[in-house]
Amino acid sequence: AQSVTQLDSQVPVFEEAPVELRCNYSSSVSVYLFWYVQYPNQGLQLLLKYLSGSTLVKGINGFEAEFNKSQTSFHLRKPSVHISDTAEYFCAVTRPDSWGKLQFGAGTQVVVTP
Amino acid sequence: KAGVTQTPRYLIKTRGQQVTLSCSPISGHRSVSWYQQTPGQGLQFLFEYFSETQRNKGNFPGRFSGRQFSNSRSEMNVSTLELGDSALYLCASSSWDAFTDTQYFGPGTRLTVL
Repeated sequence: AQSVTQLDSQVPVFEEAPVELRCNYSSSVSVYLFWYVQYPNQGLQLLLKYLSGSTLVKGINGFEAEFNKSQTSFHLRKPSVHISDTAEYFCAVTRPDSWGKLQFGAGTQVVVTP
Repeated sequence: KAGVTQTPRYLIKTRGQQVTLSCSPISGHRSVSWYQQTPGQGLQFLFEYFSETQRNKGNFPGRFSGRQFSNSRSEMNVSTLELGDSALYLCASSSWDAFTDTQYFGPGTRLTVL
């Protein structure tokens, strides 16, 4: 079985400052990793995913994440946030043989203030 | 292309009733997954259907069931509703291949059980 831990429940950040959201996972087999964003009263939108290959993954809206197998981490970063980045962010994992079954972390609420 | 649609968007039921939620996937997608989102438990996987067959199942009681039709539209049913079933129910659709596609989420159905 695998599990996902998001280390921060809430991250306050000033506009134009960088932000890092931390995600650790555990699994006895190889997994795929994802970051999703959820804006109020909306569904989830994929920011980026890691399946294999380069450990630095670039996504939409200026986000990127780095897969670190030795530390079992998949942290999300953005060098300069906007007010519109205020949302909840979810890290998720799935096994290649159960692609349609995502396991999510508890989420990190990002609040961007001017 | 049109996104994932879920109907209805909001629903109010009373304890003991049953409810059916509908999900129309993106055209061409054959996989539909369902998730329950609550403040206490977060995002939890319910089940996944692929080509009308249940491919994966989460840890929910038998009161939660689903099905998929030949046009890939999916329904989930909850019988004998409990207060704890109040949640946002999200469905996601994807093609079968993680390397060429991802899971696209609908806006959700907000179920309130009184």
